[in-house]
Amino acid sequence: SQQGEEDPQALSIQEGENATMNCSYKTSINNLQWYRQNSGRGLVHLILIRSNEREKHSGRLRVTLDTSKKSSSLLITASRAADTASYFCATVAYGGATNKLIFGTGTLLAVQP
Amino acid sequence: AAGVIQSPRHLIKEKRETATLKCYPIPRHDTVYWYQQGPGQDPQFLISFYEKMQSDKGSIPDRFSAQQFSDYHSELNMSSLELGDSALYFCASSPSGRVVGTEAFFGQGTRLTVV
Repeated sequence: SQQGEEDPQALSIQEGENATMNCSYKTSINNLQWYRQNSGRGLVHLILIRSNEREKHSGRLRVTLDTSKKSSSLLITASRAADTASYFCATVAYGGATNKLIFGTGTLLAVQP
Repeated sequence: AAGVIQSPRHLIKEKRETATLKCYPIPRHDTVYWYQQGPGQDPQFLISFYEKMQSDKGSIPDRFSAQQFSDYHSELNMSSLELGDSALYFCASSPSGRVVGTEAFFGQGTRLTVV
């Protein structure tokens, strides 16, 4: 990975359970974002947390950020079969005139009905 | 709402051939990013453009080149294709690459298969 690792690499849970995915990164960041990808499809932005924030919520999603440990976690509560997808964290690194996204390895989440 | 449009969606080429992938960003987005995603891999940053100028370069082979045109669409040109170039190629756009904390909007990708 260009930036860091995510764990677990694969997670299988039952509908209604919570799913927690972790992400570690290597460099200083401005913000960290989580994306979702259905098999072979495009990436969809889920949530963004800035480096000065510690926790953020959006619907059934909860993201935490610990910049001292260079890590983040994504919690999906009350999971549904439709949540089955790969989840990637991405950090915003500085470079040139743009802020490019650097992705972690991703966690494949399978929610069993 | 308009999204990022990529064409073609699927492309099959033979080794040593050339491929051109196109990306049409969301209207009024001035920044375009290209990513390559191999099977089971994370998206790897290739190159980005801001206001029609190349702004960042990642792990893009010398055989690849890209540009952003006056209407902000972008093309990724890939020459002397190798089997290892088989991957999903994503384009993403954002409203302003200079603005921190901006999410990127991804297209559905072009699946390139080199045979």
